[in-house]
Amino acid sequence: EVQLLESGGGLVQPVGSLRLSCAASGFTFSSFAMSWVRQAPGKGLEWVSAIGGSSGNTYYADSVKGRFTISRDNSKNTLYLQMNSLRGEDTAVYYCVKCSGTGWMYFFNYWGQGTLVTVSS
Amino acid sequence: EIVLTQSPGTLSLSPGERATLSCRASQSVTSSYLAWYQQKPGQAPRLLISGASKRATGIPDRFSGSGSGTDFTLTISRLEPEDLAVYYCQQYGSSPPWTFGQGTKVEI
Repeated sequence: EVQLLESGGGLVQPVGSLRLSCAASGFTFSSFAMSWVRQAPGKGLEWVSAIGGSSGNTYYADSVKGRFTISRDNSKNTLYLQMNSLRGEDTAVYYCVKCSGTGWMYFFNYWGQGTLVTVSS
Repeated sequence: EIVLTQSPGTLSLSPGERATLSCRASQSVTSSYLAWYQQKPGQAPRLLISGASKRATGIPDRFSGSGSGTDFTLTISRLEPEDLAVYYCQQYGSSPPWTFGQGTKVEI
């Protein structure tokens, strides 16, 4: 059974930093691209970032480019999202998602339960 | 970036009725790489449909997807109370950014 367990969310002040983690199990982690998707309170879904299985390729939404860094440790089956220079508009539930598809044309076949990040003074 | 527009915003129906949800893309979606997700209140989204029409594992056959190019449809043939949710479409026909529609809320 595929499981994705996020951690690291919480309350942080504007311009602060936070690192999210996602512990994966139930599949060969290193073989799959992974992604983060967020959802602001009462709003829709927004794709944030993605990373290839071997960490070779990374992608970011324009809204977080230069501030967020996605990474992974395949030896620990763990995905990370380092978030710097946080803003109020980054307040959201952040979901860790497993990608499926080919050639960087991916949909999201498994989702974690999410971790809430609140940016406020 | 492909913009996805979902309609209607809210759909109010009774159990047993048919629900038709629309997702329109601002440009053609390559190879019908369009997915649908269901998000029930207080839960994470879950995959319903990929490739415009392929049901994910465990999804009841009352859910079906169709369409190509710029126009896609999710149909729920006979609504059940547990289908109360927000439904999102997502295009993945090119390398990122992947985009979602704004969602359709189904009320029962």
